[in-house]
Amino acid sequence: GAVVSQHPSWVICKSGTSVKIECRSLDFQATTMFWYRQFPKQSLMLMATSNEGSKATYEQGVEKDKFLINHASLTLSTLTVTSAHPEDSSFYICSAVGTGDFSPLHFGNGTRLTVT
Amino acid sequence: KQEVTQIPAALSVPEGENLVLNCSFTDSAIYNLQWFRQDPGKGLTSLLLIQSSQREQTSGRLNASLDKSSGRSTLYIAASQPGDSATYLCAVWSDKLIFGAGTRLAVHP
Repeated sequence: GAVVSQHPSWVICKSGTSVKIECRSLDFQATTMFWYRQFPKQSLMLMATSNEGSKATYEQGVEKDKFLINHASLTLSTLTVTSAHPEDSSFYICSAVGTGDFSPLHFGNGTRLTVT
Repeated sequence: KQEVTQIPAALSVPEGENLVLNCSFTDSAIYNLQWFRQDPGKGLTSLLLIQSSQREQTSGRLNASLDKSSGRSTLYIAASQPGDSATYLCAVWSDKLIFGAGTRLAVHP
């Protein structure tokens, strides 16, 4: 089945630094990728939608200058948390949609970010 | 704006019980609905996908139904086991995938 690889699975960084999270579709081309964040015991909240070769569409309340999303190829999207602060500590998950219509979304295993 | 609600928020049952988890959504214009399982600190495992034209899907002890017109879906778990303990999320897809808050299920021996 379709596989989405997300890396790293966990990261600890100091406040003020930037962290890059990668999301790769391993055996299919992903025209669209979604980025979610999840706080403890809460559901997944959509942050942004990225389409290959174009700018990401951010959900209301998500700072696009803080959460930089790049979708430069059909198999890779990256989320960079810039100038991270402790309140950015969360679980970040990506998902990818294949080129077929209404194809099921495939999820990465998530990245646990802890900002100290 | 699509909103997804899951009831109950938490459920604790003895092993062997049959369970029903509920999901409702406000906008019936969806392409599909998915049920996921999430273990603590882990990613998502897709359980069942129901296309908008379908009424139900079954996989093993799991059965999910969809009533698009009324904006409801149920996940039925037969003969629950301790290994079923997890958070169950439903999500609907129109132009984006919107998740409910989940039902935290605990099945005790």
